Amino acid sequence: QQQVKQSPQSLIVQKGGISIINCAYENTAFDYFPWYQQFPGKGPALLIAIRPDVSEKKEGRFTISFNKSAKQFSLHIMDSQPGDSATYFCAAIGTGNQFYFGTGTSLTVIP
Amino acid sequence: KAGVTQTPRYLIKTRGQQVTLSCSPISGHRSVSWYQQTPGQGLQFLFEYFSETQRNKGNFPGRFSGRQFSNSRSEMNVSTLELGDSALYLCASKNMGAGYYGYTFGSGTRLTVV
Repeated sequence: QQQVKQSPQSLIVQKGGISIINCAYENTAFDYFPWYQQFPGKGPALLIAIRPDVSEKKEGRFTISFNKSAKQFSLHIMDSQPGDSATYFCAAIGTGNQFYFGTGTSLTVIP
Repeated sequence: KAGVTQTPRYLIKTRGQQVTLSCSPISGHRSVSWYQQTPGQGLQFLFEYFSETQRNKGNFPGRFSGRQFSNSRSEMNVSTLELGDSALYLCASKNMGAGYYGYTFGSGTRLTVV
């Protein structure tokens, strides 16, 4: 059973546009929601993260929006650049420190 | 500061063989976790070790095993390889005092079973 559901599977955005990736979870015990960015041939790297007591967190062009009642969170990439082309994973973590990852979104930013 | 080092980077094995993958965590990190990454299933948790003890285990068959040494280096072993074991195996290390922010992934070992 997929603990964290991620969509879309792939996304193509024009340079300068907004990329939006969505995730949903069921387990209300999750208390930390990170997003990871993965380039080909590399392991995932932490991009930005949020805790459920906050509805939004912004770091540069990257913003997480969190809706606790709907059990959904999303990543917004403003002014998307070709260098943002990568695979993005959402994740959720609860007691026991075990990460549950979404299935990933392949983002392509067209120049 | 060196990152998480995984060796080898690439492996080709025959069905039925066994394989051992190695992970050297960031110096000072005592927690090591292993993940399997496939296009269809994404990142699946295998197990986590801390101070040479397995703390958590994912839902994988007993053919998948691991261990951690006193210097925090970890190895993962897969016996009786199956074609479906072809995947990118990722290791992540963590400084236990750093909260969730402390996870760092290696670049992985790409295993191909033929």
